[in-house]
Amino acid sequence: EPEVTQTPSHQVTQMGQEVILRCVPISNHLYFYWYRQILGQKVEFLVSFYNNEISEKSEIFDDQFSVERPDGSNFTLKIRSTKLEDSAMYFCASSEPKVLYGYTFGSGTRLTVV
Amino acid sequence: AQSVTQLGSHVSVSEGALVLLRCNYSSSVPPYLFWYVQYPNQGLQLLLKYTSAATLVKGINGFEAEFKKSETSFHLTKPSAHMSDAAEYFCAVSDPGNTPLVFGKGTRLSVIA
Repeated sequence: EPEVTQTPSHQVTQMGQEVILRCVPISNHLYFYWYRQILGQKVEFLVSFYNNEISEKSEIFDDQFSVERPDGSNFTLKIRSTKLEDSAMYFCASSEPKVLYGYTFGSGTRLTVV
Repeated sequence: AQSVTQLGSHVSVSEGALVLLRCNYSSSVPPYLFWYVQYPNQGLQLLLKYTSAATLVKGINGFEAEFKKSETSFHLTKPSAHMSDAAEYFCAVSDPGNTPLVFGKGTRLSVIA
């Protein structure tokens, strides 16, 4: 069964450093998403991406965040200057054009900011 | 805007007992509804979904959920709990206009031998 692949599985970074989280969505999916889950809390929407541009973003997705699809397969989330409160599990997801098929999530990247 | 409420952050059942995880939604239009499961240190796996076809939806691992419009509910059930069902369960909602999934806070299911 097709999978969404995320790397790395765990990243530790110092406060103020830039991090890039990587995702390889399912090849025939057209919509891509980033969600995050702070430990013990709900899964929160960050951003959706379609046709090489952001289609929707939440209040969490401020100027410190950016997304990119640098080639035909990768989808990245960059945090420009990490803060302690950015520590969370970050999930990438992809979906077919219609949301009724649901999203396929990756296994997540646990980001720890120290 | 859509929202999801999951009653009970933690549910504990005995092995072989009925599992009932509650989910109520708020949406201005007939929604799409989903249940996802998260096993420890893993990602989110789709259990089942409601997309305006049959109101009783069957998913993987013996789970099912019933869409009740009058009660704005989409509760998840399983007749007989198994130890391997211990996990975090998330209810999620989206409207058919392709808005992003909105998740509930999750319910942790514990199964006692």
